[in-house]
Amino acid sequence: TQLLEQSPQFLSIQEGENLTVYCNSSSVFSSLQWYRQEPGEGPVLLVTVVTGGEVKKLKRLTFQFGDARKDSSLHINAAQPGDTGLYLCAGELVNSGAGSYQLTFGKGTKLSVIP
Amino acid sequence: DTGVSQNPRHKITKRGQNVTFRCDPISEHNRLYWYRQTLGQGPEFLTYFQNEAQLEKSRLLSDRFSAERPKGSFSTLEIQRTEQGDSAMYLCASSSGLAHSYEQYFGPGTRLTVT
Repeated sequence: TQLLEQSPQFLSIQEGENLTVYCNSSSVFSSLQWYRQEPGEGPVLLVTVVTGGEVKKLKRLTFQFGDARKDSSLHINAAQPGDTGLYLCAGELVNSGAGSYQLTFGKGTKLSVIP
Repeated sequence: DTGVSQNPRHKITKRGQNVTFRCDPISEHNRLYWYRQTLGQGPEFLTYFQNEAQLEKSRLLSDRFSAERPKGSFSTLEIQRTEQGDSAMYLCASSSGLAHSYEQYFGPGTRLTVT
């Protein structure tokens, strides 16, 4: 059972379109991060959200953390070919134990933006 | 750029051989993590160090795997008697021990292929 479910798994859109990808769980997270990963490279941190209901904007990207801290979404406005990549959400479980900082990852959403 | 570095970037080895990977974290980050990522999956936690102490190990870390961080700076991950199922991307990440300690910064990874 995947603790963090990401949807859709694959998304192919035209340049200029808007999109939203989702990260859902039945577990509560103390923090949640979004990463973007390109083939053969490590994940690059985009944003961290820690407060239920929090919304963060990073240029054309908008991140939201659910009120109950169980889910998150990433919205991209006017997607560009440079946005192509694997988008991973990862969270630190609330009940992961004192001193445990491991991240639990979803499988990711593979985004292709066609010029 | 003083990001996380990993060496080698690629390693091809024959089944049964031992391999060792190195990770140099961001300077002054006292927390260091190892993850493994297989095709189509998100990274999975392997182990975590705070300074030189290995504080947590995943059940994924079999007896053939050993990690060290002898001086609290760089870390090594050794796999003994490699098996084909060990083929994966091995990722290292680091984080500070201060506020926002949940923000983990990843290196480029070491791609291991066991033939």
